[in-house]
Amino acid sequence: ETGVTQTPRHLVMGMTNKKSLKCEQHLGHNAMYWYKQSAKKPLELMFVYNFKEQTENNSVPSRFSPECPNSSHLFLHLHTLQPEDSALYLCASSQDAGPKEQFFGPGTRLTVL
Amino acid sequence: GENVEQHPSTLSVQEGDSAVIKCTYSDSASNYFPWYKQELGKRPQLIIDIRSNVGEKKDQRIAVTLNKTAKHFSLHITETQPEDSAVYFCAAASGTYKYIFGTGTRLKVLA
Repeated sequence: ETGVTQTPRHLVMGMTNKKSLKCEQHLGHNAMYWYKQSAKKPLELMFVYNFKEQTENNSVPSRFSPECPNSSHLFLHLHTLQPEDSALYLCASSQDAGPKEQFFGPGTRLTVL
Repeated sequence: GENVEQHPSTLSVQEGDSAVIKCTYSDSASNYFPWYKQELGKRPQLIIDIRSNVGEKKDQRIAVTLNKTAKHFSLHITETQPEDSAVYFCAAASGTYKYIFGTGTRLKVLA
């Protein structure tokens, strides 16, 4: 185990639902990330939190809303998603935000009907 | 915008042969170049990384080379084994928040 956990592992939701993804890291890191992984596309960085402060939002639609209550927990709130949002959502953490190794969680496989 | 190109997208090699995966980056400020391995259904994990002040780094059967002038870096796996079969991602990072991944290479090692 790398020390980064994600729940749920699988999620199926309708376009009108509201759901949340949860990530927790037990590594004592100060930076956490959300990535979207779609088939045949590079990992897309969505959000970066450094010391609980959001520092980067790579033009992500407002139907994705992150929350970082402390440096160990990260949430991704989902509402009124589209079918093209179906993907694997990966959480990662690193000692702090910067050019260094990131430790990934197992991901949440999201399907939007 | 900045991007990282990765080639090939798929690569099949015979067990025991070498495999080479190449990446090209566009952001000249990039100074950290990690390689991640993602086995089927599992999370990406770092296998080797290199910083811009180094030209080459080796770890047993895995090596990475960096050509800053050409903005190229490559992953070399020697004496490939079936357990090397996975998707490999390169990335280029700089500053505090730029971490750009390539599109991945699916490596198949044929027994």
